[in-house]
Amino acid sequence: QQQVKQSPQSLIVQKGGISIINCAYENTAFDYFPWYQQFPGKGPALLIAIRPDVSEKKEGRFTISFNKSAKQFSLHIMDSQPGDSATYFCAASTTPGSARQLTFGSGTQLTVLP
Amino acid sequence: KAGVTQTPRYLIKTRGQQVTLSCSPISGHRSVSWYQQTPGQGLQFLFEYFSETQRNKGNFPGRFSGRQFSNSRSEMNVSTLELGDSALYLCASSLVPGSTYEQYFGPGTRLTVT
Repeated sequence: QQQVKQSPQSLIVQKGGISIINCAYENTAFDYFPWYQQFPGKGPALLIAIRPDVSEKKEGRFTISFNKSAKQFSLHIMDSQPGDSATYFCAASTTPGSARQLTFGSGTQLTVLP
Repeated sequence: KAGVTQTPRYLIKTRGQQVTLSCSPISGHRSVSWYQQTPGQGLQFLFEYFSETQRNKGNFPGRFSGRQFSNSRSEMNVSTLELGDSALYLCASSLVPGSTYEQYFGPGTRLTVT
């Protein structure tokens, strides 16, 4: 019930291409869906986040698409660059009372070839 | 503005020992969460602290504990270390729990148990 399933596990894209990472969830109480980017030796960095009342959010080359009925959301990276090579995590959280925890997907290792 | 800082960055301990990790949140942030990251289990929520009180706890044994000080700095302690406790321990801070959703992660403490 609390899981977030992420795919693919790894992704190789040519420079300039579109990278697409998908996540699915079961818990309909989730009300916040962030994506994090993690480089080796670093902590995850918040990339972009969406609430379930919108179907799409775009920030620069990064877009989240959200399908509430299918309980799926995805990250699209347009014009992918070698510097985007990192591990990407989707996550979801609820806000029971005033406490909150993030449930993370298993991660996608993205490699962008020059 | 300085980010989340964690000390030490690397730690090697022996089975059966105990360890204390420290986290200083972003200035003004009052909520601190801890996560464990391993290749097998991914990112898993440990606990969240706000106003020196544990607000939420993940599914970890009682060997894992934490506390928060009046200046919002937090420590986590792991007693009777096991080989499986080897992981990257991440601290994340946010302004307050619930009212804002952005969590910012520190670089982590890499704990190796031998």
